[in-house]
Amino acid sequence: QQQVKQSPQSLIVQKGGISIINCAYENTAFDYFPWYQQFPGKGPALLIAIRPDVSEKKEGRFTISFNKSAKQFSLHIMDSQPGDSATYFCAASESKAAGNKLTFGGGTRVLVKP
Amino acid sequence: DSGVTQTPKHLITATGQRVTLRCSPRSGDLSVYWYQQSLDQGLQFLIQYYNGEERAKGNILERFSAQQFPDLHSELNLSSLELGDSALYFCASSVEGPTNQYFGPGTRLLVL
Repeated sequence: QQQVKQSPQSLIVQKGGISIINCAYENTAFDYFPWYQQFPGKGPALLIAIRPDVSEKKEGRFTISFNKSAKQFSLHIMDSQPGDSATYFCAASESKAAGNKLTFGGGTRVLVKP
Repeated sequence: DSGVTQTPKHLITATGQRVTLRCSPRSGDLSVYWYQQSLDQGLQFLIQYYNGEERAKGNILERFSAQQFPDLHSELNLSSLELGDSALYFCASSVEGPTNQYFGPGTRLLVL
């Protein structure tokens, strides 16, 4: 059962453009939503995270938008750079459950063309 | 560098064998999580330990087991290996509570 659905599976964007990745979740008990960036051969690196009491969070060129009623959240990468080419994963967890396991989306492979 | 270390980086073994993967969490982190990443299943949670005790279990096979030692490092034991166990295995760590998890570089396991 895929509790976090991520789209698109891949996207190509020109340097300077905006990359947008969307995620939707089913479990309303989820209350923590991080995004990870993964380069080939490396472990996922935490990029930015949001909790549902906030509708938007920005860190540098990365912005998370959160829509609690729609159970959706998205990552925007502004002014995309070739160094942003990587696979991005959204994730979710519920703080009140035993443990804080992350449930991941399927990933989006982003290619930024120079 | 996340501060989480994993050894070995690569492991090649045969079906039916047993291997042990090792993880050292970031300094001060009490929780250790194990995840499996494969092409068809994506990133899947296996098991979590907190300060030496099992806290949560995910889709972990009975052939797999883990433990966390008093110095907080953790080991994931995979036995009776099958071809389908070939994957990347990641360890992550965090402080207590629902906070950010930081991933290690992973161990790439290839079962031939």
